[in-house]
Amino acid sequence: DQQVKQNSPSLSVQEGRISILNCDYTNSMFDYFLWYKKYPAEGPTFLISISSIKDKNEDGRFTVFLNKSAKHLSLHIVPSQPGDSAVYFCAASARNQGAQKLVFGQGTRLTINP
Amino acid sequence: DAGVIQSPRHEVTEMGQEVTLRCKPISGHNSLFWYRQTMMRGLELLIYFNNNVPIDDSGMPEDRFSAKMPNASFSTLKIQPSEPRDSAVYFCASNPSGRSYNEQFFGPGTRLTVL
Repeated sequence: DQQVKQNSPSLSVQEGRISILNCDYTNSMFDYFLWYKKYPAEGPTFLISISSIKDKNEDGRFTVFLNKSAKHLSLHIVPSQPGDSAVYFCAASARNQGAQKLVFGQGTRLTINP
Repeated sequence: DAGVIQSPRHEVTEMGQEVTLRCKPISGHNSLFWYRQTMMRGLELLIYFNNNVPIDDSGMPEDRFSAKMPNASFSTLKIQPSEPRDSAVYFCASNPSGRSYNEQFFGPGTRLTVL
């Protein structure tokens, strides 16, 4: 039972264009969402997060959008740069189900083409 | 500051052997997490500790897996006996306190191959 799903295993985008990574979840109790970025042979690193009381959070080139009614969130990267090529994981947690427990998706491999 | 340290970085063993993975969290971090990454299931939480006490081990796949945290600066994940399906990358992560919603800091992982 995959509670957090990233249905696109890979995505290829031209440098300078917008990258949009998508994530869907099934557990309506999730109230905090995070994106992590992972380079080969390294551990994931935190990128950006959003609480369920918001629908948008922005940090530089990265913006996360949350649509609670659709149980969907997305990460926008604009403009995309070659260094953004990595695997991106979406994660979620629920305050009343152990807020420290992060449930991760399978990841999306983003490739930025020069 | 040193990040989360894991050893070994790579482990190749034969089916039936005992495997021990080690983790040193970031100094001052009170919570420690063990994850497993596979192609099919992505990143799965196996177990986590707060102040050296196991809080939730519901992600541990079966009794062959065990984890300990004897002190604030060291944790082990043991698989005995190991099986080929245990082949994966195992990550350790820590975060500063038991408060909710702190980001977790991951180590570089241990790539385990069981032949």
